[in-house]
Amino acid sequence: DTGVSQNPRHKITKRGQNVTFRCDPISEHNRLYWYRQTLGQGPEFLTYFQNEAQLEKSRLLSDRFSAERPKGSFSTLEIQRTEQGDSAMYLCASSLGQTPNEQFFGPGTRLTVL
Amino acid sequence: ILNVEQSPQSLHVQEGDSTNFTCSFPSSNFYALHWYRWETAKSPEALFVMTLNGDEKKKGRISATLNTKEGYSYLYIKGSQPEDSATYLCAFANTGNQFYFGTGTSLTVIP
Repeated sequence: DTGVSQNPRHKITKRGQNVTFRCDPISEHNRLYWYRQTLGQGPEFLTYFQNEAQLEKSRLLSDRFSAERPKGSFSTLEIQRTEQGDSAMYLCASSLGQTPNEQFFGPGTRLTVL
Repeated sequence: ILNVEQSPQSLHVQEGDSTNFTCSFPSSNFYALHWYRWETAKSPEALFVMTLNGDEKKKGRISATLNTKEGYSYLYIKGSQPEDSATYLCAFANTGNQFYFGTGTSLTVIP
């Protein structure tokens, strides 16, 4: 257990529905990252926050994806109008301080879009 | 999208053998290189964070080297044990604070 938790662990939804995932980082960590991982691939960077500010967002992240970290603690990732191609593992990680510090990953949320 | 490549894709070794993997990354806009160990059904676990050209880091039987000028890092495991079986991921962090992961090297250590 790294201290980073994600909920739910699994989500099955029908195409077109909206889904929201939550990540609770290690409490003193100011940076929070979201990644997507599909079978046979490494984690793909989606976005990251420093405290409550969203500082970077991948060009791969379509307008259907939005992430928030309103109080600089937990974060939510919402996918609107889900598509089958959104099926993946969504990983959250947190770190303390600057980028070179190691990231601590949560267990992930596995999304299946039918 | 940056290319971070890892080789080999998978590897089977006998218990007690030493092994090494390669991570290749862009040499421009380098900020840090991370190595992670990812066991099935668990979260990725950080092994090393390397920032300086020529860096060498060691944790038990695992060590890593870094060459930022030519854009590669090696991960070495000495005397592999069955519990070393996992996927080893490297991640390149650029000066824009974005992380790019390789596809990993899947290691199986046969008892």
